[in-house]
Amino acid sequence: DQQVKQNSPSLSVQEGRISILNCDYTNSMFDYFLWYKKYPAEGPTFLISISSIKDKNEDGRFTVFLNKSAKHLSLHIVPSQPGDSAVYFCAASPIGGSNYKLTFGKGTLLTVNP
Amino acid sequence: EAQVTQNPRYLITVTGKKLTVTCSQNMNHEYMSWYRQDPGLGLRQIYYSMNVEVTDKGDVPEGYKVSRKEKRNFPLILESPSPNQTSLYFCASSLRPTGLSSYEQYFGPGTRLTVT
Repeated sequence: DQQVKQNSPSLSVQEGRISILNCDYTNSMFDYFLWYKKYPAEGPTFLISISSIKDKNEDGRFTVFLNKSAKHLSLHIVPSQPGDSAVYFCAASPIGGSNYKLTFGKGTLLTVNP
Repeated sequence: EAQVTQNPRYLITVTGKKLTVTCSQNMNHEYMSWYRQDPGLGLRQIYYSMNVEVTDKGDVPEGYKVSRKEKRNFPLILESPSPNQTSLYFCASSLRPTGLSSYEQYFGPGTRLTVT
């Protein structure tokens, strides 16, 4: 059972436009959500996070929105740049607990065209 | 520079030949974990450790062992590798989560293992 779902395997946008990456989750115990970016031949790099007490978190060009009732979060990148081209993973975990395990989605490949 | 290092980065081996992938972090993190990444399956947790001498199974522990004798190191051991363990492996670390807060995990660069 896939608890974190990224239904779009790929997304292509033009430089300067907005990129919107989506993520859905099913486990209501999740209350901490993260986005990671991954370039080929490198490990995932933390991008931005949000806890369930918020519905929005912003860091420069990156904004994450959380809709708890819909169990949905999204990552907005504005404006998109060619260097943003990478695989983006959504991840979730319960706060605290005996295992701080991140449950990952399968990733979305973002391509930003110049 | 704060980082998680893994060695080797690439390894080709044969079925049944024991191997160890090392992981080390310099951030004084209590929590460390191993994941494997496979096409179409995303990242799945193998083992984790909440602190020295405290380890436990993740989602896919079969065929793997770990140890945590020092805070900075968390080696992954494959006693008798098989072809289905061919994968991309990542080590990660973070501050220990509490009941009130969680922290992002920092990942190593990955180890690509091929078992023939």
